[in-house]
Amino acid sequence: GAGVSQTPSNKVTEKGKYVELRCDPISGHTALYWYRQSLGQGPEFLIYFQGTGAADDSGLPNDRFFAVRPEGSVSTLKIQRTERGDSAVYLCASSHPQRTNTEAFFGQGTRLTVV
Amino acid sequence: GENVEQHPSTLSVQEGDSAVIKCTYSDSASNYFPWYKQELGKRPQLIIDIRSNVGEKKDQRIAVTLNKTAKHFSLHITETQPEDSAVYFCAASTRSNDYKLSFGAGTTVTVRA
Repeated sequence: GAGVSQTPSNKVTEKGKYVELRCDPISGHTALYWYRQSLGQGPEFLIYFQGTGAADDSGLPNDRFFAVRPEGSVSTLKIQRTERGDSAVYLCASSHPQRTNTEAFFGQGTRLTVV
Repeated sequence: GENVEQHPSTLSVQEGDSAVIKCTYSDSASNYFPWYKQELGKRPQLIIDIRSNVGEKKDQRIAVTLNKTAKHFSLHITETQPEDSAVYFCAASTRSNDYKLSFGAGTTVTVRA
């Protein structure tokens, strides 16, 4: 596609429910990232994939958060037992695999609201 | 880990004036410093970046300066226009963890017509 695509754009869920957020990266970008952006803050790193594997998941806040990328393209961020504090915009980004310090292209994000 | 601080949090300028945003970072190993612009409800988009082997970089009305000794870098926007109104984020990453951007908290820039 032309850019990073994230679905849904908005998600409202009840506390305690399970949610899945989807990211379609730019074709050919093997590097994929998830960030979380709380209101009035900059994006905060969650996890980085190089291909199918999670190369760095040090930013995941706890074991309720999990992400997969089984075929090295689409990624899904999964949040179990959602809490009100999980409410934020979840941003996905991808970049070219061969160059370091290369531009990360962001999606428009999924706004998650836990009520 | 890396800590990036950004100032000011809000900035209001008259159209045609300059805007300056400053960031400091804590990790001396940081070597890549991008700036992102985020309009309301839209995705962050890279507007300019600088690497540690360069002290200054310009792109039309936008420039970024880097002082590695002091560990700070700045964004300069000249001849501001209403379409420059947005939230601007600075970020930093290291060579060993070049995928992991640490962002500042953002600066909301408002250009008054």
